[in-house]
Amino acid sequence: QITLKESGPTLVKPTQTLTLTCTFSGFSLSTSGVGVAWIRQPPGKALEWLALIYWSDYKRYSLSLKSRLTITKDTSKNQVVLTMTNVDPVDTATYYCAHRPGQHMDDAFDIWGQGTMVTVSS
Amino acid sequence: QSVLTQPPSASGTPGQRVTISCSGSSSNIGNNYVYWYQQVPGTAPKLLIYRNNQRPSGVPDRFSGSKSGNSASLAISGLRSEDEANYYCKTWDDNLSDGSLSGPVFGGGTKLTVL
Repeated sequence: QITLKESGPTLVKPTQTLTLTCTFSGFSLSTSGVGVAWIRQPPGKALEWLALIYWSDYKRYSLSLKSRLTITKDTSKNQVVLTMTNVDPVDTATYYCAHRPGQHMDDAFDIWGQGTMVTVSS
Repeated sequence: QSVLTQPPSASGTPGQRVTISCSGSSSNIGNNYVYWYQQVPGTAPKLLIYRNNQRPSGVPDRFSGSKSGNSASLAISGLRSEDEANYYCKTWDDNLSDGSLSGPVFGGGTKLTVL
């Protein structure tokens, strides 16, 4: 059974760096085709993809946020970490991580974490 | 503003068939697979459709997906009260200048109300 869980601060001040951790189980991020994505959702708004890291350590970032994001993985700890620099109140959102199974499901995000709400405020 | 356009709302009565559209372009829907997600408010999204029209195990066959050209649709037949949720399409957006900048994009979402 695949599970993912996001963790991190619930409140961050503007201009600070936000660090979120996705801890997962039930799969290995060293398996060919597999990836983990980060997606966020501001209150009452749509989903927005942020970043994706693949089993090969290849990384993709949202073009609009690329300069502020870094995604890394620790395969031995079954964790993926997303850092976002210079946060602003518009970054207030629920942040989700999700499993990309690859293979015949291509770029589907088939299993999601429960999400973690982050508020950016002074 | 998303590159994928969905109607903000849709509605139907129990037992009806409803469709939700997702419109894009040749750089996204036209040349890539489409995925659909269901999100009940307060919960995480759930994958409904992958590869345009494939259902993961456990998703009822009341849900079906299709794609034609630069548009895609999600159809829900035999509408039930538990189908009331927000629905999002997703596909890959190709950056023709730099492939490394390509990535997934979501539609703006459609709120489905079961009357």
